[in-house]
Amino acid sequence: DAGVIQSPRHEVTEMGQEVTLRCKPISGHDYLFWYRQTMMRGLELLIYFNNNVPIDDSGMPEDRFSAKMPNASFSTLKIQPSEPRDSAVYFCASSPPWVAGETQYFGPGTRLLVL
Amino acid sequence: AQSVAQPEDQVNVAEGNPLTVKCTYSVSGNPYLFWYVQYPNRGLQFLLKYITGDNLVKGSYGFEAEFNKSQTSFHLKKPSALVSDSALYFCAVRDMEAAGNKLTFGGGTRVLVKP
Repeated sequence: DAGVIQSPRHEVTEMGQEVTLRCKPISGHDYLFWYRQTMMRGLELLIYFNNNVPIDDSGMPEDRFSAKMPNASFSTLKIQPSEPRDSAVYFCASSPPWVAGETQYFGPGTRLLVL
Repeated sequence: AQSVAQPEDQVNVAEGNPLTVKCTYSVSGNPYLFWYVQYPNRGLQFLLKYITGDNLVKGSYGFEAEFNKSQTSFHLKKPSALVSDSALYFCAVRDMEAAGNKLTFGGGTRVLVKP
């Protein structure tokens, strides 16, 4: 398996523009997580899905952020409009059906810079 | 609520010396505990986990961790550190009693192994 795939790997945009980050989880995994990593705040969970349904979005910073999972093999995280403080590395992770202690598998991340 | 503390922002160790990265946790019930490692410009990689059973858990690359329930700790150890172990290490916890599949990560500890 190719692992969790994220695109783009790097994104530079200007303040006010819409940004869409994409993720393809590992086949057969029914949990998908979006994280954000910054020097100041560390690793934060933004939202996670189970069987394509959002379960916990309490970490989404504000209404400018939205996430969707239209099917089991694709998810998007959208920021509209983007702001410089959104600059961070965004990780997608997936995990198998939860039985006991299943591991999360992380993608390589998208490095976002908002100018 | 579940939380994790990694009290050291950075650990410096000479190559060949033992390496310890500290982690303490707080959960309402019993914990699932994880260690992940992040190399520069990469996603997090799973190292090891404690689910149940033997308190000493062995993982990838010669790492091990000991679950201590009375001290609510899960310190990561390696008997002889390598320069290639230099990376950012994250401890994570999930409360067995909690609904959902949400991991809480510590702030990370940067390990620098000097030749």
